[in-house]
Amino acid sequence: DAKTTQPPSMDCAEGRAANLPCNHSTISGNEYVYWYRQIHSQGPQYIIHGLKNNETNEMASLIITEDRKSSTLILPHATLRDTAVYYCIVRVAAGGSYIPTFGRGTSLIVHP
Amino acid sequence: EAGVVQSPRYKIIEKKQPVAFWCNPISGHNTLYWYLQNLGQGPELLIRYENEEAVDDSQLPKDRFSAERLKGVDSTLKIQPAELGDSAVYLCASSQGGGETQYFGPGTRLLVL
Repeated sequence: DAKTTQPPSMDCAEGRAANLPCNHSTISGNEYVYWYRQIHSQGPQYIIHGLKNNETNEMASLIITEDRKSSTLILPHATLRDTAVYYCIVRVAAGGSYIPTFGRGTSLIVHP
Repeated sequence: EAGVVQSPRYKIIEKKQPVAFWCNPISGHNTLYWYLQNLGQGPELLIRYENEEAVDDSQLPKDRFSAERLKGVDSTLKIQPAELGDSAVYLCASSQGGGETQYFGPGTRLLVL
């Protein structure tokens, strides 16, 4: 699976949008972009995933560039509870053997 | 719907002792994963099961680590003997199939003294 690059840390004011970037320049055509987050002392939590179209759910929006080499996770109105480490991974979605690589993620701190 | 259940949540043992972690996946999820997470790092896959078959265990240190999923439902990960460097969080995740979204349990935090 392709590797991803994320900034190690970001901060955001409460109530503002948090935009977390991810670079995946070697992504293959059949690889999806997945986002997870991990709040302190908890297991990673699934947020959203997409292939090439932008996606939105109740937690976040995912914007994937047309060339699919990068993406941005958007938390539209960040709250203090969104403080967590956010992981961007790419992986084949259906079948096959793979070793998902989480990397170190982006530590997002939402401040009052 | 109940999530992935892991126990114990915390474990403190002395080096050279054995330790076991238990995981019950989400009902109906055929695929089960065990991950290791060191402080400040992302999770690293140790082993993946499709039903009761271990289909990807290349990252599992087989000299001291073992895992089983006898009936294709819950699973046990064992370390014997434990070393100081095994101190970490051990995460279990499950998915409906090998390519589906993974859902993680809260993890077991192991401290080896």
